[in-house]
Amino acid sequence: LAKTTQPISMDSYEGQEVNITCSHNNIATNDYITWYQQFPSQGPRFIIQGYKTKVTNEVASLFIPADRKSSTLSLPRVSLSDTAVYYCLVVRGFGNEKLTFGTGTRLTIIP
Amino acid sequence: DTEVTQTPKHLVMGMTNKKSLKCEQHMGHRAMYWYKQKAKKPPELMFVYSYEKLSINESVPSRFSPECPNSSLLNLHLHALQPEDSALYLCASSPRGSGGLSYEQYFGPGTRLTVT
Repeated sequence: LAKTTQPISMDSYEGQEVNITCSHNNIATNDYITWYQQFPSQGPRFIIQGYKTKVTNEVASLFIPADRKSSTLSLPRVSLSDTAVYYCLVVRGFGNEKLTFGTGTRLTIIP
Repeated sequence: DTEVTQTPKHLVMGMTNKKSLKCEQHMGHRAMYWYKQKAKKPPELMFVYSYEKLSINESVPSRFSPECPNSSLLNLHLHALQPEDSALYLCASSPRGSGGLSYEQYFGPGTRLTVT
């Protein structure tokens, strides 16, 4: 399964858009890109998943270029409550239960 | 009900004790998971149950013994643990149809385990 590389940490001010980029050079044809969020002392929470181009839901957007070797999680107008660790994962489809978490990006929102 | 519950929240045990962690979900999910998470590290997969059968064991030491009595319940039996086993133990579940994706896992809040 493709390994992912993310920045270790990022800071941003409240109200700004935050983009976290993840690199996954060895992604395979039937792999999907998935993002989870984790607050301290809580379990991770699924944010968004995509295969290619752009996916948007009520909390985030995910941009995946045509070569799929990277992806960008976009959080619009962040607030203090978005301070958390964000994990980018590559998940193999069609029945593979394994999630392998990368090192994650610690996002700190500054008032 | 979209919740995974775990009990206890906190557990302190000695190296000679036997204890169990419990996880429950009522979402009809057919895959359940145990993860271990050390401080400031990502979760590491330990076990996967699919349709109440153990499908993945990530070479976990035998002092950790999982059990899935039914589709809603997952236990982790602990015996003769070491201090380095102290961690947050997370349970998760996911919908799992035949050949379907299980990318969205629902995690419980975890059990904070301290081995003394």
